[in-house]
Amino acid sequence: AQSVSQHNHHVILSEAASLELGCNYSYGGTVNLFWYVQYPGQHLQLLLKYFSGDPLVKGIKGFEAEFIKSKFSFNLRKPSVQWSDTAEYFCAVNSGNTPLVFGKGTRLSVIA
Amino acid sequence: KAGVTQTPRYLIKTRGQQVTLSCSPISGHRSVSWYQQTPGQGLQFLFEYFSETQRNKGNFPGRFSGRQFSNSRSEMNVSTLELGDSALYLCASSLISGPQETQYFGPGTRLLVL
Repeated sequence: AQSVSQHNHHVILSEAASLELGCNYSYGGTVNLFWYVQYPGQHLQLLLKYFSGDPLVKGIKGFEAEFIKSKFSFNLRKPSVQWSDTAEYFCAVNSGNTPLVFGKGTRLSVIA
Repeated sequence: KAGVTQTPRYLIKTRGQQVTLSCSPISGHRSVSWYQQTPGQGLQFLFEYFSETQRNKGNFPGRFSGRQFSNSRSEMNVSTLELGDSALYLCASSLISGPQETQYFGPGTRLLVL
């Protein structure tokens, strides 16, 4: 069965700092990769997704992620975080007709 | 376009009772998936329905069931509630069922079992 690991449980950054959240998955075949964000009190929203093609994917709100197949990774990055980026971030993967498998999430706190 | 709606938003039940949660997908979306979110286990897949047929089922006991109606609205039912069923239940919809379809999530139903 697929699994997704998000290494950082809680990340605390100052505004304008750069962000990188790790995500590794276990499946070695063709995968589809997603990052979702859950702002406090709000529902899950899609940040970006990778299906095929350019491994560097750009999403909303200045986020991007790079798919590195050899490392089974899909890390999320943002060059300069804002206070409004405070949220929980979930990496998810599926393949074939399998349902989405989520990581445990990384809580990001951005302080002024 | 209206998003995914879930009712009720909050629910309190006692052990042994049953509960039915409802999900209305985005208009035109035919696939509905359900997830359970808890602090300990995170987000776990429950089941997926497409055109009234269950396509996938997660690793949950038979107390958890669901169905989808011809208008794509979906319900999930949990019978004989246990304390551990306390969770946020999320519904997601997508246009078709498939790996390259993006799922859009609703706000969830927060269930508390006492």
